[in-house]
Amino acid sequence: GNSVTQMEGPVTLSEEAFLTINCTYTATGYPSLFWYVQYPGEGLQLLLKATKADDKGSNKGFEATYRKETTSFHLEKGSVQVSDSAVYFCALKAAGNKLTFGGGTRVLVKP
Amino acid sequence: NAGVMQNPRHLVRRRGQEARLRCSPMKGHSHVYWYRQLPEEGLKFMVYLQKENIIDESGMPKERFSAEFPKEGPSILRIQQVVRGDSAAYFCASSPFPDRGSNQPQHFGDGTRLSIL
Repeated sequence: GNSVTQMEGPVTLSEEAFLTINCTYTATGYPSLFWYVQYPGEGLQLLLKATKADDKGSNKGFEATYRKETTSFHLEKGSVQVSDSAVYFCALKAAGNKLTFGGGTRVLVKP
Repeated sequence: NAGVMQNPRHLVRRRGQEARLRCSPMKGHSHVYWYRQLPEEGLKFMVYLQKENIIDESGMPKERFSAEFPKEGPSILRIQQVVRGDSAAYFCASSPFPDRGSNQPQHFGDGTRLSIL
């Protein structure tokens, strides 16, 4: 079956530090890949997506590249802000429409 | 804001009672998905519905749980005879027209946090 593995948190950083959250996946076929962000008490918001190999998704300074050869979709941001503190979820969607999520990575950015 | 609307935001039930969670999809969306998030865990797929049809219920527990998406009105996730282990956040998501190539993102509501006393 499909699965997503992402690094466990919490990840604690200082403002303006570089952020990387690793995500690898196992899937049949050619899935689409997503990063969602969840702020406290809220639902998930789509952060970025990529639908085929070598696609790069980007939004709000975050980037992730669909690497088929390493089955990875690592999330990066060059300079984080306190407002980036949240839980980040990597997810894939293969045939059938349902999303398969990783366990989430809590990020805490300190001023 | 015509986002995915879920209500109630918080629901408290005693063991043995019924819980009904409602979800109104984004305007123009005809596909609804329910996910469950246990404390400190990721979201797990439960069920996928179109209007009046259950497309995939492979993530639904075999007993006590049911879902519907009637022709008129919101989608309902119903949990009968709730137990402590049902305490979780339940999220609804919606997407537009039939999937083509798995690249249509799902838009999520803010969830219903169910607490069982």
